[in-house]
Amino acid sequence: AQKITQTQPGMFVQEKEAVTLDCTYDTSDPSYGLFWYKQPSSGEMIFLIYQGSYDQQNATEGRYSLNFQKARKSANLVISASQLGDSAMYFCAMREVNTGTASKLTFGTGTRLQVTL
Amino acid sequence: DAGVIQSPRHEVTEMGQEVTLRCKPISGHDYLFWYRQTMMRGLELLIYFNNNVPIDDSGMPEDRFSAKMPNASFSTLKIQPSEPRDSAVYFCASSLFNSAQSMNTEAFFGQGTRLTVV
Repeated sequence: AQKITQTQPGMFVQEKEAVTLDCTYDTSDPSYGLFWYKQPSSGEMIFLIYQGSYDQQNATEGRYSLNFQKARKSANLVISASQLGDSAMYFCAMREVNTGTASKLTFGTGTRLQVTL
Repeated sequence: DAGVIQSPRHEVTEMGQEVTLRCKPISGHDYLFWYRQTMMRGLELLIYFNNNVPIDDSGMPEDRFSAKMPNASFSTLKIQPSEPRDSAVYFCASSLFNSAQSMNTEAFFGQGTRLTVV
């Protein structure tokens, strides 16, 4: 079974609008971390935001926020006020603490976001 | 901080040749990861080190692949002999263990090495 599922291969959003990128995860470990990365066309992987499984509040970092719904095992990334520079691939990733993989990041397949004028 | 530094950025080599990819992690980070990214398979973890010791190399595809970390500031990934199917972007990443959370912080990635084997 896939640990991280990103069901949207591609998304379009108009500049200045908000967009939600979906991510669901599968784990039986009560302690885990969820991460989002951005990969622009230049290829580098840029860390955006982190959510711990025990965090009471949804993580926010500037225009990025994470809509964490633990019972549904979803960790959707919300980008507010989209900018042309947000056009990129976005990857959701997870680390599990107690399964012996506390160090390993498992990535989803990514969502390609295109911001239009 | 200069971030994770990888070299070369691009490598084109002929099938059968040896290829060595290099990585300098962020100073102070105790974990180093090698990932491979392809269109077909996405991002795959090949191997990771903790305090220079290889912990999990289950992602290394074949014996043709080997990785070393002789010290805290340098790691190599070697492919010998290289094959066209090894063509991919290879990323090195490093992170720090957070004892309060019992897991690593976010991984910081290098710019990647785009390998083309012809």
